[in-house]
Amino acid sequence: GENVEQHPSTLSVQEGDSAVIKCTYSDSASNYFPWYKQELGKGPQLIIDIRSNVGEKKDQRIAVTLNKTAKHFSLHITETQPEDSAVYFCAATTMDTGRRALTFGSGTRLQVQP
Amino acid sequence: DAGVTQSPTHLIKTRGQQVTLRCSPKSGHDTVSWYQQALGQGPQFIFQYYEEEERQRGNFPDRFSGHQFPNYSSELNVNALLLGDSALYLCASSFRGHGSKNIQYFGAGTRLSVL
Repeated sequence: GENVEQHPSTLSVQEGDSAVIKCTYSDSASNYFPWYKQELGKGPQLIIDIRSNVGEKKDQRIAVTLNKTAKHFSLHITETQPEDSAVYFCAATTMDTGRRALTFGSGTRLQVQP
Repeated sequence: DAGVTQSPTHLIKTRGQQVTLRCSPKSGHDTVSWYQQALGQGPQFIFQYYEEEERQRGNFPDRFSGHQFPNYSSELNVNALLLGDSALYLCASSFRGHGSKNIQYFGAGTRLSVL
């Protein structure tokens, strides 16, 4: 089955700095890679996703890059703000009808210092 | 438009008991997935229901079972509770139709404590 590894486990940055979280996956059949943000006491919230036919996707201060050959994908947050503080999870799955379970990384706790 | 709703919010049980958790999917969604999130870890897939049938299952014992109703809502049942079943149980809904993007939206979860 799929295995997703995520680094770092904790990340502390100053407000306005950039933050980068990296994930690797094992199953070459995976072709959909979402990123979720989880705040205390809440469920994961989708913040951005990328499919395997795209190398990069950007949404305002958030961007995701994908290297299919190396099986790496990364989340980039620019101009960080205190409200970006949360736990971030990467995940991988396939779009095939019979295989849609998300496999999550272990999470990165991001703390943005004001 | 209500998102994914789960009940109850919190639950305390003792070892050996049975528990039922409930989930209502986001409007327009037909697929429900359940995940277990232990403290400090990422969610782990339990199973997925579509058209009232279990379509995919993760590495969880038969003590974990589920059901999906005609209105797409779902229940997760856990029998013979163990201390290790203490976790946040998350429900995610999605639309499985042709061309769907498999975007899964999560509820806030049910916090289960087994004493």
